[in-house]
Amino acid sequence: DGGITQSPKYLFRKEGQNVTLSCEQNLNHDAMYWYRQDPGQGLRLIYYSQIVNDFQKGDIAEGYSVSREKKESFPLTVTSAQKNPTAFYLCASSIWESGANVLTFGAGSRLTVL
Amino acid sequence: AQKITQTQPGMFVQEKEAVTLDCTYDTSDQSYGLFWYKQPSSGEMIFLIYQGSYDEQNATEGRYSLNFQKARKSANLVISASQLGDSAMYFCAMREEGSNFGNEKLTFGTGTRLTIIP
Repeated sequence: DGGITQSPKYLFRKEGQNVTLSCEQNLNHDAMYWYRQDPGQGLRLIYYSQIVNDFQKGDIAEGYSVSREKKESFPLTVTSAQKNPTAFYLCASSIWESGANVLTFGAGSRLTVL
Repeated sequence: AQKITQTQPGMFVQEKEAVTLDCTYDTSDQSYGLFWYKQPSSGEMIFLIYQGSYDEQNATEGRYSLNFQKARKSANLVISASQLGDSAMYFCAMREEGSNFGNEKLTFGTGTRLTIIP
């Protein structure tokens, strides 16, 4: 089945450590995204990538980094510079559907900083 | 700046009844799009329905319909004949004008938690 796989589902990190969240898709989508979700808030865009070897900052990119070396993969690194990294992270890719560019999401990764 | 407002933090609805989830938006763009996503407890966001600002008819997808009132800037989601599996968080979102393929920047509301009672 086609879809987006995020790993790990749960991750604990000590302060000062970098951590990388994996996102893999087999949908052959060109565009991929990373969103952050905090309790009681909607999703906020961290980074997005339209094609391989290209990516753009979203609204809250500070303290995060990404790479897009392969079409299928868009890993997110949460660096020690991110002041409040505890959150739920969602990866997505997009396809044209119902007259719009519809995002398909993975199941998410929950990061907790101890 | 664009803004999405969902004023109902939580709703309880009897099974088989219809339910309306409210969404209002604020934008100065002429061209925009509105989405509804469902987020079950598993965490994955599931696309439900889309309405373009120039679409004259309200969008429908099975039991979901979008009550689009452009003058009031509202895009309420209507779920007919609710089922226990409809219990989830529901998010309204808006795409920015100028978004194109690969640049689908969405602004999300804070969500409504819907609970269906047997």
